Amino acid sequence: NAGVTQTPKFRVLKTGQSMTLLCAQDMNHEYMYWYRQDPGMGLRLIHYSVGEGTTAKGEVPDGYNVSRLKKQNFLLGLESAAPSQTSVYFCASSYAGQSTGSPWGDYGYTFGSGTRLTVV
Amino acid sequence: SQQGEEDPQALSIQEGENATMNCSYKTSINNLQWYRQNSGRGLVHLILIRSNEREKHSGRLRVTLDTSKKSSSLLITASRAADTASYFCATGRDGYGKLTFGQGTILTVHP
Repeated sequence: NAGVTQTPKFRVLKTGQSMTLLCAQDMNHEYMYWYRQDPGMGLRLIHYSVGEGTTAKGEVPDGYNVSRLKKQNFLLGLESAAPSQTSVYFCASSYAGQSTGSPWGDYGYTFGSGTRLTVV
Repeated sequence: SQQGEEDPQALSIQEGENATMNCSYKTSINNLQWYRQNSGRGLVHLILIRSNEREKHSGRLRVTLDTSKKSSSLLITASRAADTASYFCATGRDGYGKLTFGQGTILTVHP
């Protein structure tokens, strides 16, 4: 039972390079999210998806793009990395309640183990 | 902007003692959740309390919610060294499952 898997776990990029972070979940969750965690800032939402083929902007979307072509995968792209994007990135997924469509149930989010990205 | 703010920022206690962490938020919510993060790891969901609930228990955890004061508390009873971690409150407001996280409380439990 893998849950949410993020790849890669670590990456060092040079300014201006591009990369894609992959998030995969095997729980058939409808909703998926990308957060970044910086010291003293808590977690901030970058983008999220409420279903296959849909994406939406979160609190800090600039410099990032996302895609959800398959229900189980949510990709986060950095087209031209900047030092300000040095952070730990977390993917999460959650269940959409069958009766009301509420994403909450009693289970909250399932998080991946994170990707530590350094941009030099 | 951050919706939730935890207090204290850091808490250091001895094994066997109780640990209490508080969370305040600014706008109306649908639910409030607590998560634990061990150093270098992802967050783990602990408990969810809905806006129409006042108290909830799960094992050694007790969560209270006061919507009139826009605040919540997490009580861990009989703390263990393994409880050492950062604890985050998170608030949910809409139907899309988005959560807004606070900055966390660092709990250290000394053996």
